[in-house]
Amino acid sequence: GQSLEQPSEVTAVEGAIVQINCTYQTSGFYGLSWYQQHDGGAPTFLSYNALDGLEETGRFSSFLSRSDSYGYLLLQELQMKDSASYFCAVRDPGNMLTFGGGTRLMVKP
Amino acid sequence: IAGITQAPTSQILAAGRRMTLRCTQDMRHNAMYWYRQDLGLGLRLIHYSNTAGTTGKGEVPDGYSVSRANTDDFPLTLASAVPSQTSVYFCASSFGSGQPQHFGDGTRLSIL
Repeated sequence: GQSLEQPSEVTAVEGAIVQINCTYQTSGFYGLSWYQQHDGGAPTFLSYNALDGLEETGRFSSFLSRSDSYGYLLLQELQMKDSASYFCAVRDPGNMLTFGGGTRLMVKP
Repeated sequence: IAGITQAPTSQILAAGRRMTLRCTQDMRHNAMYWYRQDLGLGLRLIHYSNTAGTTGKGEVPDGYSVSRANTDDFPLTLASAVPSQTSVYFCASSFGSGQPQHFGDGTRLSIL
């Protein structure tokens, strides 16, 4: 089976940089995804890492270390609209996703 | 506008009743999924379909059934609802299994 751990809550100020960590234990691993979900909204895809290293998409970057079973999402130049929940998800060899419990990010002015 | 549509948006249901949640996508995605989201537990996969005509069980399939008669539609049925099925249900689709998933806006279901 799969299990993922991420902090339940993170608080940061507008303009700052925040890192949301995700560690996983898995019986099979193809990659790590990140999704964003605003309150009352639908999850939306942010990024996917299949190989070790950093993937950058605008203000957001995602990192993976397969040897450490660890990844993180880095958000730069935080904006109020970044206040949301962020979920890491492991893709298994059957191409199914197992999601972590989510990290609620609160951005303060 | 291309996307994925769920209906109803919310529902209150008496325990023991049968309920079907509807999900339709017009993106010609091959794979479709049903998740439930409960506070603190993230999203848990109920059932999935990699292509029309096939379905599979996810992490929490008990009490739910699905069908995939065509590419666009993937209904989820609760045969006899129980209070523990109170949750927010999300339908999602992807071009292929393993591709990024696109989610509907969810159905908020309360079983009394």
